[in-house]
Amino acid sequence: QVTLKESGPVLVKPTETLTLTCTVSGFSLSNPRLGVSWIRLPPGKPLEWLGHIFSNDEELYTTSLKNRLTISKDTSKSQVVLTMTNMDPVDTATYYCARATVTTWGSWFDYWGQGTLVTVSS
Amino acid sequence: DIQMTQSPSSLSASVGDRVTITCRASQSIGTYLNWYQQKPGEAPKLLIFAASTLYAGVPSRFSGSGSVTDFTLTISSLQPEDFATYYCQKSYSNLFTFGQGTKVE
Repeated sequence: QVTLKESGPVLVKPTETLTLTCTVSGFSLSNPRLGVSWIRLPPGKPLEWLGHIFSNDEELYTTSLKNRLTISKDTSKSQVVLTMTNMDPVDTATYYCARATVTTWGSWFDYWGQGTLVTVSS
Repeated sequence: DIQMTQSPSSLSASVGDRVTITCRASQSIGTYLNWYQQKPGEAPKLLIFAASTLYAGVPSRFSGSGSVTDFTLTISSLQPEDFATYYCQKSYSNLFTFGQGTKVE
């Protein structure tokens, strides 16, 4: 059974750094056909893909936020970590981690965590 | 960066209606296009991958078509549980961008 679960602070102050952890089970982060992305849903706005990490530790980031994001993983702990610096109230959102199946026909998010709401406020 | 534009942004429909949602890419993305359904308070669910392949367990009333820059998600007969927001998402060129969503209400 594949599961993903996000954990981290529910409230951060402006300018602080957010660290979220995605703990996965039912698959290995070393599987070359799989990867994990972070995606967020701000209130009243659409889904926004933030970044991705492949089994070989290659990272991808959305252009608009790449200077603030870092994604890493600890395969032995089955965890993927998102770090976002210089948080702002506009970063208030529900943050999801999602497993991507990676093939020659593309990649798609087949399993998602439940999401964690992060509020940025002083 | 390749932009994904969905239309309409919202639509009003009734149970039994045929619903069509369009997603357009600003450049060619082949068939590297996926569709998701999201309901309030829930994580998104994968419906269609690689433009036209139905994901396991998804009802056959959902279908996807298109290639290159123009894609369509069709619900052949809208059911009460289908009222939700639908997103397209590309997986081409190492950026997994989502469209802005279509709310079916």
